[in-house]
Amino acid sequence: EVKLEESGGGLVQPGMSVKLSCATSGFTFSDYWMEWVRQAPGKGLEWVAEIRNKANNYATYYGKSVKGRFTISRDDSKSIVYLQVNSIRSEDTGIYYCTTSDYWGQGVMVTVSS
Amino acid sequence: DIVMTQSPSSLAVSAGETVTINCKSSQSLLSSGNQKNYLAWYQQKPGQSPKLLIYLASTRESGVPDRFIGSGSGTDFTLTISSVQAEDLADYYCQQHYSYPRTFGGGTKLELK
Repeated sequence: EVKLEESGGGLVQPGMSVKLSCATSGFTFSDYWMEWVRQAPGKGLEWVAEIRNKANNYATYYGKSVKGRFTISRDDSKSIVYLQVNSIRSEDTGIYYCTTSDYWGQGVMVTVSS
Repeated sequence: DIVMTQSPSSLAVSAGETVTINCKSSQSLLSSGNQKNYLAWYQQKPGQSPKLLIYLASTRESGVPDRFIGSGSGTDFTLTISSVQAEDLADYYCQQHYSYPRTFGGGTKLELK
C-alpha cells in the first residue's frame, strides 16, 4: 500500500522558519520525482516545488511566489522528501501536500500568525 | 509562466447529466517531440486530497471510471463526465506539466442542482 505522510506543520510566526517532512512507503521512492502542492483555506491548488530523482541529478524547481524562500530536498535512503520554508509570510498559510502526481499525502496545515 | 484558465468556475448538475469542464492554456502544451499534451486533471472531494483522474490530456489513471473522459490538444482541453453520479460532486482542477513552474487552473466546483 502506498503511503505519504506529511508532518512538521503548525502555528508559525511571520518571518520564522519551518521544515515540513513527507515520509513515504509502498513504492520505489528513489525512482520518483517528488512535489509539494499547497492550498490556502478555501482556495485552489498552487504548485510549490519539485525535486527530480538521482537519474535527473536531483534537479529542483520552484513556484514564483516561493522561489528564494523555500528549499525542497530528499533523502532516498529514508524515502523522505522535505520542504524548508524560510521567511514565512501570512500568505503561506494553508495545507501542504506532498505528491508524486499520482500519489498524494493527506496534507499538513501550516498557519502563519503572530 | 503558463496561465491555465478553467471554465466554468462552478456548475450545478443533476444526477445522470453529462457535464463538460473547459481548460485553456496560455501556451501550447503539445510537445513537438512526442506529440503528447502535458495536461492533467484532478478531482478533490471536500476534506480530501486531490486525486489524479487524467494525464497526458486523455489517459485515465488506473481505477478511474470510464465516465471521465479527457480530450483536447494544444491550448484547449475538456473534461467530460458522462452520467454524473453523486460521488462525482467535487472540485476539479487542470494542471499543465509542460513547463516550469507547473500551474493549475482555478478550479471548477461541481454541485448538485
